[in-house]
Amino acid sequence: DAGVTQSPTHLIKTRGQQVTLRCSPKSGHDTVSWYQQALGQGPQFIFQYYEEEERQRGNFPDRFSGHQFPNYSSELNVNALLLGDSALYLCASSGGTSGSSEQYFGPGTRLTVT
Amino acid sequence: LAKTTQPISMDSYEGQEVNITCSHNNIATNDYITWYQQFPSQGPRFIIQGYKTKVTNEVASLFIPADRKSSTLSLPRVSLSDTAVYYCLVGVPFSSGSARQLTFGSGTQLTVLP
Repeated sequence: DAGVTQSPTHLIKTRGQQVTLRCSPKSGHDTVSWYQQALGQGPQFIFQYYEEEERQRGNFPDRFSGHQFPNYSSELNVNALLLGDSALYLCASSGGTSGSSEQYFGPGTRLTVT
Repeated sequence: LAKTTQPISMDSYEGQEVNITCSHNNIATNDYITWYQQFPSQGPRFIIQGYKTKVTNEVASLFIPADRKSSTLSLPRVSLSDTAVYYCLVGVPFSSGSARQLTFGSGTQLTVLP
């Protein structure tokens, strides 16, 4: 049983560009959350998707948007990239048939903005 | 969201028991305490969760006093591979569509020495 998978592993973009990150949840999970982790800090919540809708959002600007597909996979889009967007982006899945309150994290996508 | 306070760093030697204490003075009645472990460039991994008294699983124990204003993660007989950042989180357990976000602090960097 595959856990949470994310793609790509690493990404380098130029300031002002747009980026799309992808996440496939663990089998049986129906809820996906996205986090941003800057170097040396704990993960910060961006938003959460359930039933293809954004259910809650952290303190992030509208440049950060997302989507959840019928198969529960999700995308994180960031527009007009800033140097400060350089971070590890983590996807976490939970809920569904698992019946567990635990959130499972993927390995993350390392985004570097130059 | 309850705020947590943990030591920034701790050192230990292989084979020793390590106890990491977390303070959460404004924990709410419905809040649970959850600990995550994170290795560099990887997503956090769930270790243990509890509400009161003591919880034990195959990797750790969690001690919660009666007033629940603090908790202690106990790692028995640590090895070099236990070197990681450990996060203490407080909140209502997740369920599908509950829109619960995880709020991470800066965590405790545990370094296990040979």
